[in-house]
Amino acid sequence: AQTVTQSQPEMSVQEAETVTLSCTYDTSESNYYLFWYKQPPSRQMILVIRQEAYKQQNATENRFSVNFQKAAKSFSLKISDSQLGDTAMYFCAFMKVQGAQKLVFGQGTRLTINP
Amino acid sequence: GAVVSQHPSWVICKSGTSVKIECRSLDFQATTMFWYRQFPKQSLMLMATSNEGSKATYEQGVEKDKFLINHASLTLSTLTVTSAHPEDSSFYICSASLDRTPGNEQFFGPGTRLTVL
Repeated sequence: AQTVTQSQPEMSVQEAETVTLSCTYDTSESNYYLFWYKQPPSRQMILVIRQEAYKQQNATENRFSVNFQKAAKSFSLKISDSQLGDTAMYFCAFMKVQGAQKLVFGQGTRLTINP
Repeated sequence: GAVVSQHPSWVICKSGTSVKIECRSLDFQATTMFWYRQFPKQSLMLMATSNEGSKATYEQGVEKDKFLINHASLTLSTLTVTSAHPEDSSFYICSASLDRTPGNEQFFGPGTRLTVL
């Protein structure tokens, strides 16, 4: 079974700073997908970024980028120039390529951006 | 982007009654829908996967007779919590996938807060 671990329950930074959220996972699969989802106070889950394990290049989406280290099974999210609207719970998630499209989520990191 | 709605957004019921939660994909046909449960300050736990026209696949530990899932069309899935008890109080979230393409994005509904008195 796959497991996803987020070791930082809470983080807090000042607006405009850069913050990195950690995520590690455990799997015996060789090909899979990794995701970062954001859940703001509204509780609506929003996809932030997606990484395909067979791609070595780290995914980026505007201010959001990942550091994917396949051998270390690490998938961290970097938020640059943080904004107040980035305040949310962030969940790292894993999905196998084969079989059902099931997402396995980490415990989440509560990120607060302070003005 | 693809939009998924849930109804109701919040429901309060008495212990022993049944509650139905609807999940709809508004602007696309969803081959697969997923139901999650989220306790306060915790992560999302997958309860079941449902494909249109077939029986849902439940995760280990989820009672099939307790949480009835029906996926009658490509745009609608329902979760019925039968004989609800206070321990069933939680936030229920559905998601929908466009197709079975590996790694396909799941679009999430806004969630339903269930409170059982």
